Amino acid sequence: GQQLNQSPQSMFIQEGEDVSMNCTSSSIFNTWLWYKQDPGEGPVLLIALYKAGELTSNGRLTAQFGITRKDSFLNISASIPSDVGIYFCAGQLNTPLVFGKGTRLSVIA
Amino acid sequence: SQTIHQWPATLVQPVGSPLSLECTVEGTSNPNLYWYRQAAGRGLQLLFYSIGIDQISSEVPQNLSASRPQDRQFILSSKKLLLSDSGFYLCAWSAFLTGSNYGYTFGSGTRLTVV
Repeated sequence: GQQLNQSPQSMFIQEGEDVSMNCTSSSIFNTWLWYKQDPGEGPVLLIALYKAGELTSNGRLTAQFGITRKDSFLNISASIPSDVGIYFCAGQLNTPLVFGKGTRLSVIA
Repeated sequence: SQTIHQWPATLVQPVGSPLSLECTVEGTSNPNLYWYRQAAGRGLQLLFYSIGIDQISSEVPQNLSASRPQDRQFILSSKKLLLSDSGFYLCAWSAFLTGSNYGYTFGSGTRLTVV
């Protein structure tokens, strides 16, 4: 089945630093989504991408749908303590969403 | 607006006992419904999805089953729990199964510990 490789698995950064994480797929998708999960909660949608090459921002977050349709990245600028959590990429073609294994972000004040 | 409710929030069950987790959606009709499991430190694994009443698709053969007795109700069950069934179970809904949509909206999850 489809698999998503998400990296890095975890990150420890200083408050104020920028963050970058990415996902690659063995097959193409027509939708890429990025979610954030706070401890003990369900994931919440951050950004949705529907077209190859699309670059979308949501506040300090920016995500891009790779031109090959097999990858996507998420950038967070000027990180703050509330950015702590697990970030998931998710992709979709003609099946339910497939999720990456997540990037656990820790922010050191 | 649409809301999704999932309960209980936490559950501790002995090995061999039955399981029933419930999920309901409000504010929409004919939603697509999903059950995901998240093992500790792992990603989200799709267990079941449903596009309508009594229409269930199973993604991973296992000790669990799902049912959709009503349009906005999705139930995850087991007759006899195993230790490996421990995890964080998430229910989700979406307006569309595939294609352009606004992603899936997740419930707040159930933390299941089998002892």
